[in-house]
Amino acid sequence: GAGVSQSPSNKVTEKGKDVELRCDPISGHTALYWYRQSLGQGLEFLIYFQGNSAPDKSGLPSDRFSAERTGGSVSTLTIQRTQQEDSAVYLCASSSTSGGFTDTQYFGPGTRLTVL
Amino acid sequence: AQKITQTQPGMFVQEKEAVTLDCTYDTSDPSYGLFWYKQPSSGEMIFLIYQGSYDQQNATEGRYSLNFQKARKSANLVISASQLGDSAMYFCAMRGGAYGGSQGNLIFGKGTKLSVKP
Repeated sequence: GAGVSQSPSNKVTEKGKDVELRCDPISGHTALYWYRQSLGQGLEFLIYFQGNSAPDKSGLPSDRFSAERTGGSVSTLTIQRTQQEDSAVYLCASSSTSGGFTDTQYFGPGTRLTVL
Repeated sequence: AQKITQTQPGMFVQEKEAVTLDCTYDTSDPSYGLFWYKQPSSGEMIFLIYQGSYDQQNATEGRYSLNFQKARKSANLVISASQLGDSAMYFCAMRGGAYGGSQGNLIFGKGTKLSVKP
């Protein structure tokens, strides 16, 4: 079946502008995760959604970052007033359950964000 | 706190030979899962193999096997019969169980860049 999809694949924006990144998880997957990958910081967790529960936002680096998940499926990550340090690849992943440590996360192709 | 350490920033292997990529981890959680992902130059993270902390046998998936040594807290990835297409970044990752206060997310190592020579 179809894997995790993300759009856009590339986004170039100017400092101070807002951006929205979209993730479509694998159909039927209840858990959805956002990560950020940058040269200096490696792979960092941002936010995690599980079903209808309140999201775990503990990884969001500042209040400029927010995310929502509509209808338990598609998710949008929004970065307000972008800064140059926000430049990174933003990866989305989903998993079929979130019962615990056996849960395998499957990743999308990522969105490369460049802030000029 | 949970931590993953990959000490090999880069490795070379001759085509058709086997290679071992090192991964050590640190956690106080008795329940955890260990994962290896491959990231080719295209950027997508591809799941390779999983090992649970309670699994008695080492995991295998085709040419991939995981050398799990629980007492040493190591989970090395072994790739047999390397192919040119195996050239990529490889990440070791861990997810804890609820007992350890895991948030559900994966903790990643810094990765190892594998280059397969023809």
